[in-house]
Amino acid sequence: ETGVTQTPRHLVMGMTNKKSLKCEQHLGHNAMYWYKQSAKKPLELMFVYNFKEQTENNSVPSRFSPECPNSSHLFLHLHTLQPEDSALYLCASSHPTSGSYEQYFGPGTRLTVT
Amino acid sequence: SQQGEEDPQALSIQEGENATMNCSYKTSINNLQWYRQNSGRGLVHLILIRSNEREKHSGRLRVTLDTSKKSSSLLITASRAADTASYFCATGGEGNTPLVFGKGTRLSVIA
Repeated sequence: ETGVTQTPRHLVMGMTNKKSLKCEQHLGHNAMYWYKQSAKKPLELMFVYNFKEQTENNSVPSRFSPECPNSSHLFLHLHTLQPEDSALYLCASSHPTSGSYEQYFGPGTRLTVT
Repeated sequence: SQQGEEDPQALSIQEGENATMNCSYKTSINNLQWYRQNSGRGLVHLILIRSNEREKHSGRLRVTLDTSKKSSSLLITASRAADTASYFCATGGEGNTPLVFGKGTRLSVIA
């Protein structure tokens, strides 16, 4: 257990559905991240939040909408996704203001878009 | 933009042998990290080496860093079947700088 949890672990959704991924960290970190991991591709950073403020949006399509209500919770709202959005979505947290650069990852949500 | 590039892409060894994975990067760094990922799971931080360090150990792991060649290596000694995983190097992470990962090396340790 890394102290970062993600739900659901698996999700199958149609292209017209709306769903949300949830991430929670119990580490007291102030930065949270969403990554997308597709087969045979490097891990892609999607969004970064520092103290609940979005500091990075890596040219992610608007069908992905992040939300960070507080430093411990991060959501990724999904709507009208495409089959190529099927991937493992990973959440991570870190505490860069303490000089610690390691990121702690959740187990991921395996998303399949049909 | 992709910063780290691991080599080889895949490595298969017998249990008890040593495994060496390499990482090359393109720009100056303050630190470099190695992570492990078991199939379909999240990444786990293994070790961080700072730019002013040349070698670092953690248990059966040994990491080296050569800033003049912009490269790092991860050595796993006396490998075990449980070491089977993908290994990634990553640079960045300071302040608001995001971590940038390579494509990883897939290590298979055969019992």
